[in-house]
Amino acid sequence: LAKTTQPISMDSYEGQEVNITCSHNNIATNDYITWYQQFPSQGPRFIIQGYKTKVTNEVASLFIPADRKSSTLSLPRVSLSDTAVYYCLVGVIYQLIWGAGTKLIIKP
Amino acid sequence: EAGVAQSPRYKIIEKRQSVAFWCNPISGHATLYWYQQILGQGPKLLIQFQNNGVVDDSQLPKDRFSAERLKGVDSTLKIQPAKLEDSAVYLCASSQWSQETQYFGPGTRLLVL
Repeated sequence: LAKTTQPISMDSYEGQEVNITCSHNNIATNDYITWYQQFPSQGPRFIIQGYKTKVTNEVASLFIPADRKSSTLSLPRVSLSDTAVYYCLVGVIYQLIWGAGTKLIIKP
Repeated sequence: EAGVAQSPRYKIIEKRQSVAFWCNPISGHATLYWYQQILGQGPKLLIQFQNNGVVDDSQLPKDRFSAERLKGVDSTLKIQPAKLEDSAVYLCASSQWSQETQYFGPGTRLLVL
C-alpha cells in the first residue's frame, strides 16, 4: 500500500521556479505518478503524469529518479494564480491513494 | 466536451436524515470515482466503478453509504443515516480507464447539522 508524503506548505514569489517533492517509498512497478492542482471550492485538476525520468508539458515538469521512491513537480516562473493546493497521486491498481497536499502560496 | 456534472451543489440536512448525490461522467469514460474531501484534507476515495462494476470500495462505510452506477453511466451516492462527521465535499471524477487522467466535477458540499 503506497503512501505519499509531501510538505504541508510552501511559499514563493512571482517569477520564481517552485519545486514540490513527494515521497512514495512503496510504489509498485506498474504505478504512475500524477499531480493535481486544486483551487478553493473546485475539484482537483490534472497537471502532469509520469512513470520514470522526466516529463514536461506546457505548465510543469515532473522529475522521477531511477528508484521511483520520490518525484518532484517543477513549476517554472510561478504567478499569483498558481496559489493552490498540489496533490501527489500514486496509482496502486484499484487503490488510488492521495497525499495530504502541499499548500503553495505565491507572493507578489 | 462537457465536463463531469454533479448535483446538487449544496445540501444541508440534519443528522440521521438521508441524502443522495448524483454524478454524470464525461461521455465514454469507463471509470467513475466518488471521493470524500473533508476541509483541509486530501480527497479520500470512497468507491471506484469500472463500467457498472465495483473495483474498489474498501474505504466506503458500508453501514451507511451506498453507491450504484446504473448501465455504466450515471452514478448515485447515498448516505443513510447521515452523521455529523459526514460533513464534507463529495467529489465525482471520471477517466477513460483506471490510472488515466481523472476529470473532476465541481463537487457537492454537504453540511450535516
